[in-house]
Order: sequence, then C-alpha cells, then structure tokens
Amino acid sequence: GQNIDQPTEMTATEGAIVQINCTYQTSGFNGLFWYQQHAGEAPTFLSYNVLDGLEEKGRFSSFLSRSKGYSYLLLKELQMKDSASYLCASVDSNYQLIWGAGTKLIIKP
Amino acid sequence: DAMVIQNPRYQVTQFGKPVTLSCSQTLNHNVMYWYQQKSSQAPKLLFHYYDKDFNNEADTPDNFQSRRPNTSFCFLDIRSPGLGDAAMYLCATSRGKDPPSNEQFFGPGTRLTVL
Repeated sequence: GQNIDQPTEMTATEGAIVQINCTYQTSGFNGLFWYQQHAGEAPTFLSYNVLDGLEEKGRFSSFLSRSKGYSYLLLKELQMKDSASYLCASVDSNYQLIWGAGTKLIIKP
Repeated sequence: DAMVIQNPRYQVTQFGKPVTLSCSQTLNHNVMYWYQQKSSQAPKLLFHYYDKDFNNEADTPDNFQSRRPNTSFCFLDIRSPGLGDAAMYLCATSRGKDPPSNEQFFGPGTRLTVL
C-alpha cells in the first residue's frame, strides 16, 4: 500500500530551528512536495524535491533521501506566523499526490 | 492576479438537500482537482480533470459528482449530503500532471456544514 508518515504535532520556540520529518512508501516515486496550511485556509506550496539532497529557500529548507524514503522540512529563525500545519505529499508512479495528514507546528514565544 | 477562486467560502445545507460548490481559475491550467479535507486529516482526492478528461477516484462515493464545462470552471455536486460530508472542500489546479508541472495551486476552500 501507499503510506505517508509524519508526526501529528510539534512544539518549538520563536527564534529556534525545527525539523519536521516525513517518511513515505509509494508505488513508484516522482518527487515530494511540502505544503504549508494555516488553520482554516488552503495549502500553499513550499518546496518540491526529486533529487537527493538539501534545497534551501530562505528560512525554509527541504531534504530528500530516495534510498531511505525520507524527507524533512527545516524551518529556521521561527516566527509566530510559522504556526501552521505542514503537509508532505509524495508523487507516485501515476503522478498522483499521496498526502500525509500533516504536522501541526505550534510556536511558543 | 492569477488565482483559484472558490464560492461560497462557507456553505450550510440540510441533510439530503443537494448542494453545488464552484471553483474557477485564471491560471489557464489544464488540470483541476477536488479534494475533501476533514479536520487534522490529509486532503482526500475526490476527482480530477485533465482538460476534459474526467478521472474519478475509486473510493469516491456516487453521491459526489463533478462538471467542468470549460477550462476555467469546475463544479462539485453533492446530490444528497449526509452528516459525514461536512468538511472543507478544496479545489486545486496544476499546469500538467508530470513533475514539475504538477505543483498544485489551491483555492481558499469551501467549508460545508450539514444540518
């Protein structure tokens, strides 16, 4: 079967760094997306990885290891507005997105 | 600004009373998707259109139907809403299906309440 695992909830402090992990098992693999979703709002695109390694975009970075079926999203210099759910989605062999349930990130002052 | 628009943002209906949710896009994308998302759960794909080619997910109930009369508009019809259909309904678009053109752009969602 196809499966995406990510922690349900994480808590971090403003100004700190947090890493949100995602493991995936999908039939075929054509890359992995990370989306941010604030409560009651639509998901917005953060990153797409298809090759192994780390991609950095400002305060956010995303890492992929295809051999381990593993990705993480790294958020630096946390701000209160980063409180949101972070969804990991793997692209399977039919180019369908298989979504995780999301990790709710709580930022404390 | 190019965007995905959903109307209404909040919809209340009665048990069994048909309801239609609408989505429009100014991105001129080929693919449009409808998702159902319940609280703290992953978005669940209901169907998608690649241009006029309709694709229904195997586990999408018959109660849910969709129409795409043209490139810009897509509708979700719920024929007889049940209490379990209360959810956020998200419309999304992408240029294509192959990466990286399959980055999905989401509308703000319609929150459906069933009384």
